[in-house]
Amino acid sequence: AQSVTQPDIHITVSEGASLELRCNYSYGATPYLFWYVQSPGQGLQLLLKYFSGDTLVQGIKGFEAEFKRSQSSFNLRKPSVHWSDAAEYFCAVKGNFGNEKLTFGTGTRLTIIP
Amino acid sequence: DTEVTQTPKHLVMGMTNKKSLKCEQHMGHRAMYWYKQKAKKPPELMFVYSYEKLSINESVPSRFSPECPNSSLLNLHLHALQPEDSALYLCASSQGGQGTYEQYFGPGTRLTVT
Repeated sequence: AQSVTQPDIHITVSEGASLELRCNYSYGATPYLFWYVQSPGQGLQLLLKYFSGDTLVQGIKGFEAEFKRSQSSFNLRKPSVHWSDAAEYFCAVKGNFGNEKLTFGTGTRLTIIP
Repeated sequence: DTEVTQTPKHLVMGMTNKKSLKCEQHMGHRAMYWYKQKAKKPPELMFVYSYEKLSINESVPSRFSPECPNSSLLNLHLHALQPEDSALYLCASSQGGQGTYEQYFGPGTRLTVT
């Protein structure tokens, strides 16, 4: 069965500083990987996705993520955070055998300080 | 357009009431999902409809009854709920089938059971 681990429950970053959110997955083959962001009381917005090909993927709002098969990781990065980036971030994995189920990590809450 | 809409935004209901949550998408997606999300937790899958047929029921209590009247609409009928059912209910859609398709989420319905 697939699983996702987000080791950091809460991260605090100064506005303008760089950001890296960690995500490790467990899956027997090449997974399909996603990052979603959720502002308080809102739905989830897709930031980016990895299916195959180039291991560095670009997303919306200036985010990028790198797929590293050797480390089973798909970390999310942003070179300079803005106060509006404060939110909950979820990494998710989906199997590639037609299974529609998406498995989420427990999430990382990002706080931005001035 | 990647919009999934949900109504109502907020719902307060007593334990003896019957109510329904509605979800709509016009992206031509053929898979639709209901998730339940408690505070500070990731979304939990409840149901999946694929090509208007129920394909996954994650052992959800019968007081939750999904319905997919057509490929654009998804309902969740609620009856005799318990206070612990209070949560954010999220709808999502994807292109469905065997492909590598991402899920798009609606803004959610905040449900309070009194």
